Amino acid sequence: GAVVSQHPSRVICKSGTSVKIECRSLDFQATTMFWYRQFPKQSLMLMATSNEGSKATYEQGVEKDKFLINHASLTLSTLTVTSAHPEDSSFYICSAREMGADTQYFGPGTRLTVL
Amino acid sequence: QQQVKQSPQSLIVQKGGIPIINCAYENTAFDYFPWYQQFPGKGPALLIAIRPDVSEKKEGRFTISFNKSAKQFSLHIMDSQPGDSATYFCAASITSGTYKYIFGTGTRLKVLA
Repeated sequence: GAVVSQHPSRVICKSGTSVKIECRSLDFQATTMFWYRQFPKQSLMLMATSNEGSKATYEQGVEKDKFLINHASLTLSTLTVTSAHPEDSSFYICSAREMGADTQYFGPGTRLTVL
Repeated sequence: QQQVKQSPQSLIVQKGGIPIINCAYENTAFDYFPWYQQFPGKGPALLIAIRPDVSEKKEGRFTISFNKSAKQFSLHIMDSQPGDSATYFCAASITSGTYKYIFGTGTRLKVLA
């Protein structure tokens, strides 16, 4: 149980385009989903927290207009990187938490490369 | 006060050894402490988690020791195997709040065959 999927696993795009990453909880309802960014050999950096049906809460320093997060259902959250630039290239990971539970279950990650 | 300090940064042990990874925190409001294992190019996977009312928890070859007074907790991997070579992260969260994790900086473990 507690499986979280992400799609796509890898994406390469040109500078200036937008990229959408999906995060799905496959066998539970996720009241809260989290989006992280991870640079090579570094820890996970929380970008934002989203609760189903509510606006996402962004961490300090994260541009909400650049990283659009939508959590429209209890099993799906999306992260859209708008007008991507090479410095947005990173490993993006989502996690999901079920109501009443303390544990976050992580997706497999999405490697974004912006040329 | 929101930091979780993790050490060592990297660790090399022989097969069968018992690597120990340590984490320390300041915020006494933290009440949930999970450990995650991450392989290159993959998402973190939950190993084991503990709450402050328990001093030790075992799951398979993984053991967490928790010292509430010292505000420290550690992960022990018994009979380590080359397949345990990965990066390990500790985390802390406040379960009555946003449930956000504060992650440690990670420990890269290599188990030699």
